[in-house]
Amino acid sequence: SQQGEEDPQALSIQEGENATMNCSYKTSINNLQWYRQNSGRGLVHLILIRSNEREKHSGRLRVTLDTSKKSSSLLITASRAADTASYFCATANAGGTSYGKLTFGQGTILTVHP
Amino acid sequence: DAGVIQSPRHEVTEMGQEVTLRCKPISGHNSLFWYRQTMMRGLELLIYFNNNVPIDDSGMPEDRFSAKMPNASFSTLKIQPSEPRDSAVYFCASSHRGQTVNSNQPQHFGDGTRLSIL
Repeated sequence: SQQGEEDPQALSIQEGENATMNCSYKTSINNLQWYRQNSGRGLVHLILIRSNEREKHSGRLRVTLDTSKKSSSLLITASRAADTASYFCATANAGGTSYGKLTFGQGTILTVHP
Repeated sequence: DAGVIQSPRHEVTEMGQEVTLRCKPISGHNSLFWYRQTMMRGLELLIYFNNNVPIDDSGMPEDRFSAKMPNASFSTLKIQPSEPRDSAVYFCASSHRGQTVNSNQPQHFGDGTRLSIL
């Protein structure tokens, strides 16, 4: 099964509302990353949080990481129609030599209605 | 600043034909990844290279799939013979592995090749 499991699978909100997506994983990690994918396009990196960090901000994005619960959340504040996309968490496993390998979750489909 | 470039963007071919997908990573990146994305299975890692050397091909579904990276600026994923169940979007991504073994670097994705096998 996937290392990262996102919840919910789909989220529909109105413009201006906040959107929260959660990700759970199974093994120890070096870092956790969030990506966005617009329809018909490749994934785009949003934010990276290291295993020794608990919270990180980037513009309207806020990511938290709880390594004791093996979970992370992505909060998008004041959402816009342009935020409509699929969002994926990805984990870089700790230990060994990963060469940058990531394990992606199944993603959350976010729809923001104008 | 050129990103990861994949070609072709779309490929439609008949079952049994050979298919070759191409990828040009970002200059200076030393890790390259091939993924397959479908609705049913999500995003699957097929194979990845570091400094042009295949590191892990355990995700390659079967012997019909092969990948090469002859130099730092080019990689191919080949399917021979192709089957309808190979229909998917194939992504190439690259990243720069830093000095430390597990340095924290994001992956940069191309826009994919949408493959349809009839």
